[in-house]
Amino acid sequence: IVLTQSPATLSVSPGERATLSCRASQSVSSYLAWYQQKPGQAPRLLIYDASNRATGIPARFSGSGSGTDFTLTISSLEPEDFAVYYCQHRSSRPPVYTFGQGTNLEIK
Amino acid sequence: EVQLLESGGGLVQPGGSLRLSCAASGFTFSSYAMSWVRQAPGKGLEWVSAIDTSGAGTYYADSVKGRFTISRDNSKITLYLQMSSLRAEDTAVYYCAKATNPVGAFDFWGQGTLVTVSS
Repeated sequence: IVLTQSPATLSVSPGERATLSCRASQSVSSYLAWYQQKPGQAPRLLIYDASNRATGIPARFSGSGSGTDFTLTISSLEPEDFAVYYCQHRSSRPPVYTFGQGTNLEIK
Repeated sequence: EVQLLESGGGLVQPGGSLRLSCAASGFTFSSYAMSWVRQAPGKGLEWVSAIDTSGAGTYYADSVKGRFTISRDNSKITLYLQMSSLRAEDTAVYYCAKATNPVGAFDFWGQGTLVTVSS
């Protein structure tokens, strides 16, 4: 399964909404996660199973979608939200994890 | 508090070997699958290998199959990655990551250890 994220770079102003896309080459049901990574830091889990926020993740982050098309929405961008975002899926047979290539969310 | 602390990275020549360790704390290590994920300089995330709770089930990305071996010692609360026949393209920061339960995502990550393969 290949995960394709778009756009590669997204320029948005603080306070605005950001919408990031992840498309799977075949259906992954709802088994999709989203991560945030800031420079020099490890990734942080934001969303699992397409729409469930991980512990401690602010409500401005939301995930949606199923099958092949998924969206991560950040409702009102805070300065600390500018980072690279990755989607990820785990296939069950064999157990293989796949990441998208990432979307760089930058300040406009 | 969950903590994952990687060690063992460094500079190694092409064809050489290296063993990474990941010391875990703050959760019941033996109850969770674990993985190694790497990130080449300036690039995206690449899953490398996973291991189930007992260590009996191990899985690898095609890019490292036959060269890397993942293992765990639940009594020592430590995850390992034995890397051999290293290539320049294995140069990356290697992260240890704890899988969610049920497995599907990674809810905690270490800070990573840098492996540089160069002559």
